[in-house]
Amino acid sequence: EVQLVESGGGLVQPGRSLRLSCAASGFTFDDYAMHWVRQAPGKGLEWVSGISWNRGNIGYADSVKGRFTISRDNAKNSLYLQMNSLRAEDTALYYCAKDTYGEYRTFDYWGQGALVTVSS
Amino acid sequence: QSALTQPRSVSGSPGQSVTISCTGTSSDVGGYNYVSWYQQHPGKAPKLMIYDVSKRLSGVPDRFSGSKSGNTASLTISGLQAEDEADYYCCSYAGSYTGVFGTGTKVTVL
Repeated sequence: EVQLVESGGGLVQPGRSLRLSCAASGFTFDDYAMHWVRQAPGKGLEWVSGISWNRGNIGYADSVKGRFTISRDNAKNSLYLQMNSLRAEDTALYYCAKDTYGEYRTFDYWGQGALVTVSS
Repeated sequence: QSALTQPRSVSGSPGQSVTISCTGTSSDVGGYNYVSWYQQHPGKAPKLMIYDVSKRLSGVPDRFSGSKSGNTASLTISGLQAEDEADYYCCSYAGSYTGVFGTGTKVTVL
């Protein structure tokens, strides 16, 4: 059974940093691209970042480019999102999502999300 | 990376059909056949329903179907059922290893 479990969320002050992790199990992690998608309270979904199976391709939404860094450790079956210079508008539930291929295609499994609240 | 445009809400009676549009540009919906549709019930994670424009994920009822014409993709739910009441989001590949979601549509079963 595919499982994605996010961790690392919490309350953080504007301008500070936070690192999200996603522990994957139930599939061959290094065969698939992975993504982060967020949802602000009461709002819609926003694709944040994606990384290919071998880290050869990485992409970011304009809203986080230069502030967020996605990475993966295939030996640990883990996906990460380093979030720097956080802003109030980054407040959201952050989902880890598995792709159906090694490169960007679509998201077939999602975690339950990690809540990030940016507030002073 | 502007969000794809979806109607805010659609509604129908049980057994009726509803269609949700998803309008983008030639840089996303119109440029790639990587359009997918997600269903989200309140408090739950999104669930993939349709991918590659019109392919149904295994286990998804065949009353859900997808299509695309130019820069607009569509999701049709035929034979609407009570459990179909949820939020629906389209998503498209937008080039340079980026993606973009639609604004979301609330489907109400009357």
